[in-house]
Amino acid sequence: AQKVTQAQTEISVVEKEDVTLDCVYETRDTTYYLFWYKQPPSGELVFLIRRNSFDEQNEISGRYSWNFQKSTSSFNFTITASQVVDSAVYFCALSGPPGYSSASKIIFGSGTRLSIRP
Amino acid sequence: DGGITQSPKYLFRKEGQNVTLSCEQNLNHDAMYWYRQDPGQGLRLIYYSQIVNDFQKGDIAEGYSVSREKKESFPLTVTSAQKNPTAFYLCASTGQGASLGTEAFFGQGTRLTVV
Repeated sequence: AQKVTQAQTEISVVEKEDVTLDCVYETRDTTYYLFWYKQPPSGELVFLIRRNSFDEQNEISGRYSWNFQKSTSSFNFTITASQVVDSAVYFCALSGPPGYSSASKIIFGSGTRLSIRP
Repeated sequence: DGGITQSPKYLFRKEGQNVTLSCEQNLNHDAMYWYRQDPGQGLRLIYYSQIVNDFQKGDIAEGYSVSREKKESFPLTVTSAQKNPTAFYLCASTGQGASLGTEAFFGQGTRLTVV
C-alpha cells in the first residue's frame, strides 16, 4: 500500500528563518514519483516539484530546495530565508508508475500548514 | 488557456438531495481525479479515471458516483447516501502514456455546504 506521512501539522517561524517540511513515504513500487504542492488560501493547489524514484539528486530553485533520500524514504522541502508570501499549506504526494492498474492513483499527505510571521 | 474548470465555486445542498459537481479540462489529459478536503486535513481520493468509460474507487468512494463519458469531463455526484458531504472538493488531471509521471493539474475547487 502507498502512504505519505507529513508529521508536522503546523509550523510557525519568523520571516527570514529557514524552515524544513518533512515528508516520509511508503510504496512497494520500484518506479514512483514524488511531488510537492502549495495550497494558498485561495484553495487551488500549485505544483512545485516532481521527482522520480531513479533521480536522487537534490534540487534547488531559488529559495526552495528539496532533499530526496531513498534510503530513508524521505523527500524533504526546505525554504531558505522564508517570506510572508510562503505562508500556505504544503502537501507532499506520491504516485506509482503509469501504465499499471494502480499507476494513476496519487496519494497525498495530510499537509503542513506553514505560517511565516513578519 | 488550457486548464481545469470546476463549477460551481460554492454549492449549497439540502439534506437528502443529490448534487453534481462539474469538472472540465482542455489539457487533453487521460487521467482525472476527485479529491475531498476537510478543514485542516489533507486530500482524500474519492474516484479516479484513467481513460474514458473507465473509473476506479479511491479511498472514500461511498456516497459518491462519477461518470467519464468524455475525455474532458469527469462530473462527481454527491448522493444522499453521503452522510457528511460538507467539504472542499478538488478535481485534478494528469497526462499519461508519453507524459509519464507528470504532475497533476488542479481546478480551483468547489466548496459544498449542506444546509
